[in-house]
Amino acid sequence: SQQGEEDPQALSIQEGENATMNCSYKTSINNLQWYRQNSGRGLVHLILIRSNEREKHSGRLRVTLDTSKKSSSLLITASRAADTASYFCATDYGQNFVFGPGTRLSVLP
Amino acid sequence: DAGVIQSPRHEVTEMGQEVTLRCKPISGHNSLFWYRQTMMRGLELLIYFNNNVPIDDSGMPEDRFSAKMPNASFSTLKIQPSEPRDSAVYFCASSPTGYNSPLHFGNGTRLTVT
Repeated sequence: SQQGEEDPQALSIQEGENATMNCSYKTSINNLQWYRQNSGRGLVHLILIRSNEREKHSGRLRVTLDTSKKSSSLLITASRAADTASYFCATDYGQNFVFGPGTRLSVLP
Repeated sequence: DAGVIQSPRHEVTEMGQEVTLRCKPISGHNSLFWYRQTMMRGLELLIYFNNNVPIDDSGMPEDRFSAKMPNASFSTLKIQPSEPRDSAVYFCASSPTGYNSPLHFGNGTRLTVT
Protein backbone atom coordinates (compact mmCIF):
# COMPACT_ATOMS: atom_id res chain seq x y z
CA SER A 1 0.00 0.00 0.00
CA GLN A 2 0.96 3.67 -0.15
CA GLN A 3 0.91 4.01 3.61
CA GLY A 4 3.73 5.84 5.33
CA GLU A 5 5.32 4.32 8.37
CA GLU A 6 6.56 6.47 11.22
CA ASP A 7 9.52 5.55 13.34
CA PRO A 8 9.85 5.27 16.28
CA GLN A 9 6.40 4.23 17.46
CA ALA A 10 7.00 6.03 20.74
CA LEU A 11 9.54 8.59 21.91
CA SER A 12 10.10 10.02 25.36
CA ILE A 13 12.40 13.00 25.91
CA GLN A 14 13.10 15.74 28.44
CA GLU A 15 11.85 19.25 27.96
CA GLY A 16 14.38 21.30 26.01
CA GLU A 17 15.71 18.35 24.04
CA ASN A 18 15.17 17.86 20.33
CA ALA A 19 12.81 15.20 18.99
CA THR A 20 13.23 13.52 15.64
CA MET A 21 10.60 11.36 13.97
CA ASN A 22 10.93 9.59 10.66
CA CYS A 23 8.50 8.54 7.98
CA SER A 24 9.08 6.07 5.18
CA TYR A 25 6.76 5.45 2.26
CA LYS A 26 6.58 3.04 -0.61
CA THR A 27 5.75 4.73 -3.89
CA SER A 28 6.27 8.10 -5.56
CA ILE A 29 4.49 11.06 -4.03
CA ASN A 30 3.59 14.62 -4.97
CA ASN A 31 3.68 15.85 -1.42
CA LEU A 32 4.04 14.70 2.17
CA GLN A 33 2.38 16.26 5.18
CA TRP A 34 2.93 16.09 8.93
CA TYR A 35 0.11 16.34 11.44
CA ARG A 36 -0.13 16.48 15.23
CA GLN A 37 -2.92 14.95 17.30
CA ASN A 38 -3.48 15.79 20.93
CA SER A 39 -5.39 13.29 23.00
CA GLY A 40 -9.10 13.37 22.28
CA ARG A 41 -8.78 15.89 19.48
CA GLY A 42 -8.63 15.96 15.71
CA LEU A 43 -5.43 16.12 13.71
CA VAL A 44 -3.80 19.49 13.16
CA HIS A 45 -1.78 20.19 10.04
CA LEU A 46 1.85 21.15 10.69
CA ILE A 47 3.78 21.25 7.41
CA LEU A 48 3.32 20.23 3.77
CA ILE A 49 6.46 19.53 1.76
CA ARG A 50 6.31 18.99 -1.99
CA SER A 51 8.31 16.35 -3.82
CA ASN A 52 10.62 18.97 -5.37
CA GLU A 53 11.47 20.43 -1.96
CA ARG A 54 14.15 19.06 0.35
CA GLU A 55 13.59 21.03 3.54
CA LYS A 56 10.97 23.27 5.14
CA HIS A 57 10.88 25.15 8.41
CA SER A 58 8.03 26.41 10.54
CA GLY A 59 8.96 27.86 13.90
CA ARG A 60 10.61 25.08 15.92
CA LEU A 61 9.70 22.48 13.28
CA ARG A 62 12.01 21.33 10.51
CA VAL A 63 10.94 18.80 7.91
CA THR A 64 13.22 17.13 5.40
CA LEU A 65 12.30 15.00 2.42
CA ASP A 66 14.54 12.53 0.59
CA THR A 67 12.63 11.19 -2.39
CA SER A 68 15.50 8.88 -3.37
CA LYS A 69 15.16 7.09 -0.04
CA LYS A 70 11.40 7.61 0.12
CA SER A 71 11.69 9.07 3.58
CA SER A 72 10.98 12.22 5.54
CA SER A 73 11.89 13.43 9.00
CA LEU A 74 10.27 15.84 11.42
CA LEU A 75 12.53 17.60 13.89
CA ILE A 76 11.09 19.50 16.84
CA THR A 77 13.73 21.65 18.49
CA ALA A 78 13.74 22.81 22.11
CA SER A 79 10.75 20.63 22.94
CA ARG A 80 8.11 21.68 25.43
CA ALA A 81 5.64 19.70 27.51
CA ALA A 82 2.91 21.06 25.22
CA ASP A 83 4.51 19.18 22.30
CA THR A 84 3.34 15.91 23.87
CA ALA A 85 1.10 14.40 21.20
CA SER A 86 0.99 11.85 18.40
CA TYR A 87 2.60 12.85 15.13
CA PHE A 88 1.53 11.44 11.77
CA CYS A 89 2.89 11.66 8.28
CA ALA A 90 0.46 11.57 5.38
CA THR A 91 1.27 10.86 1.77
CA ASP A 92 -0.88 11.70 -1.21
CA TYR A 93 -2.35 8.78 -3.11
CA GLY A 94 -4.31 9.95 -6.10
CA GLN A 95 -6.53 12.64 -4.64
CA ASN A 96 -6.54 11.07 -1.18
CA PHE A 97 -4.19 11.06 1.75
CA VAL A 98 -2.95 7.97 3.55
CA PHE A 99 -1.75 8.26 7.13
CA GLY A 100 0.88 6.23 8.91
CA PRO A 101 0.34 4.72 12.37
CA GLY A 102 2.02 7.68 14.09
CA THR A 103 4.74 8.39 16.64
CA ARG A 104 3.65 9.00 20.21
CA LEU A 105 5.88 11.76 21.65
CA SER A 106 6.06 12.38 25.38
CA VAL A 107 7.97 15.45 26.56
CA LEU A 108 8.73 15.23 30.26
CA PRO A 109 8.99 18.43 32.31
CA ASP B 1 -13.78 30.59 11.06
CA ALA B 2 -15.30 27.91 13.29
CA GLY B 3 -13.39 25.08 11.67
CA VAL B 4 -14.85 21.70 10.81
CA ILE B 5 -17.78 20.93 13.08
CA GLN B 6 -18.80 17.39 13.89
CA SER B 7 -21.73 16.15 15.91
CA PRO B 8 -22.30 14.45 18.17
CA ARG B 9 -18.99 14.35 20.05
CA HIS B 10 -19.90 11.07 21.68
CA GLU B 11 -22.44 8.45 20.69
CA VAL B 12 -23.26 5.31 22.60
CA THR B 13 -25.71 2.94 21.00
CA GLU B 14 -26.77 -0.67 21.08
CA MET B 15 -25.93 -3.17 18.40
CA GLY B 16 -28.44 -3.10 15.58
CA GLN B 17 -29.34 0.56 15.96
CA GLU B 18 -28.88 3.15 13.25
CA VAL B 19 -26.18 5.75 13.82
CA THR B 20 -25.85 9.04 11.96
CA LEU B 21 -22.75 11.19 12.24
CA ARG B 22 -22.78 14.75 10.98
CA CYS B 23 -20.17 17.10 9.59
CA LYS B 24 -20.11 20.76 8.59
CA PRO B 25 -16.95 21.52 6.59
CA ILE B 26 -15.19 24.85 6.45
CA SER B 27 -16.99 27.26 4.16
CA GLY B 28 -15.39 27.40 0.73
CA HIS B 29 -13.66 24.04 1.01
CA ASN B 30 -14.43 21.82 -1.97
CA SER B 31 -13.22 18.48 -0.63
CA LEU B 32 -14.51 16.47 2.30
CA PHE B 33 -13.11 13.30 3.80
CA TRP B 34 -14.43 10.81 6.35
CA TYR B 35 -11.80 8.87 8.33
CA ARG B 36 -12.10 6.24 11.04
CA GLN B 37 -9.46 5.87 13.76
CA THR B 38 -8.91 2.79 15.92
CA MET B 39 -5.95 1.58 17.92
CA MET B 40 -5.64 -1.53 15.81
CA ARG B 41 -5.95 -0.03 12.32
CA GLY B 42 -4.98 3.62 12.80
CA LEU B 43 -6.55 6.21 10.52
CA GLU B 44 -8.50 4.74 7.63
CA LEU B 45 -10.03 6.76 4.82
CA LEU B 46 -13.66 5.78 4.38
CA ILE B 47 -14.88 8.10 1.64
CA TYR B 48 -13.90 11.27 -0.16
CA PHE B 49 -16.15 13.90 -1.76
CA ASN B 50 -15.18 16.60 -4.21
CA ASN B 51 -17.73 19.33 -4.94
CA ASN B 52 -20.35 17.23 -3.12
CA VAL B 53 -19.76 14.21 -5.39
CA PRO B 54 -18.40 10.96 -3.94
CA ILE B 55 -15.08 10.31 -5.67
CA ASP B 56 -13.71 7.30 -3.82
CA ASP B 57 -15.73 5.14 -1.44
CA SER B 58 -13.48 2.11 -1.61
CA GLY B 59 -12.70 2.46 2.08
CA MET B 60 -16.30 2.05 3.18
CA PRO B 61 -16.13 -1.28 4.98
CA GLU B 62 -19.54 -2.70 4.22
CA ASP B 63 -22.94 -1.94 2.80
CA ARG B 64 -23.98 -1.03 6.32
CA PHE B 65 -22.04 2.21 5.85
CA SER B 66 -23.31 5.04 3.67
CA ALA B 67 -22.34 8.67 3.28
CA LYS B 68 -24.04 11.62 1.69
CA MET B 69 -23.21 15.22 0.96
CA PRO B 70 -26.45 16.91 -0.08
CA ASN B 71 -24.82 20.34 -0.24
CA ALA B 72 -21.48 22.04 0.22
CA SER B 73 -22.03 22.69 3.93
CA PHE B 74 -23.22 19.34 5.23
CA SER B 75 -22.31 15.67 5.14
CA THR B 76 -23.54 12.59 6.98
CA LEU B 77 -22.09 9.17 7.63
CA LYS B 78 -24.68 6.55 8.48
CA ILE B 79 -24.22 3.07 9.88
CA GLN B 80 -27.24 0.78 9.73
CA PRO B 81 -27.28 -1.60 11.51
CA SER B 82 -24.40 -0.81 13.83
CA GLU B 83 -22.14 -3.51 15.27
CA PRO B 84 -19.66 -3.49 18.20
CA ARG B 85 -16.72 -3.61 15.76
CA ASP B 86 -17.81 -0.23 14.40
CA SER B 87 -16.71 1.34 17.69
CA ALA B 88 -14.09 3.95 16.80
CA VAL B 89 -13.49 7.66 16.49
CA TYR B 90 -14.85 9.00 13.22
CA PHE B 91 -13.27 12.13 11.82
CA CYS B 92 -14.44 14.47 9.14
CA ALA B 93 -11.90 16.66 7.35
CA SER B 94 -12.16 19.28 4.64
CA SER B 95 -9.67 20.99 2.37
CA PRO B 96 -9.79 23.80 -0.18
CA THR B 97 -8.97 21.60 -3.13
CA GLY B 98 -8.11 18.14 -1.79
CA TYR B 99 -5.05 17.82 -3.89
CA ASN B 100 -1.82 19.35 -2.55
CA SER B 101 -3.61 21.19 0.23
CA PRO B 102 -3.76 20.50 3.99
CA LEU B 103 -6.66 18.74 5.61
CA HIS B 104 -8.61 20.49 8.36
CA PHE B 105 -10.00 17.99 10.83
CA GLY B 106 -12.97 18.18 13.14
CA ASN B 107 -12.65 16.91 16.70
CA GLY B 108 -14.31 13.64 15.81
CA THR B 109 -17.22 11.58 17.03
CA ARG B 110 -16.39 8.79 19.45
CA LEU B 111 -18.79 5.96 18.69
CA THR B 112 -19.34 3.10 21.11
CA VAL B 113 -21.59 0.25 20.03
CA THR B 114 -22.50 -2.14 22.84
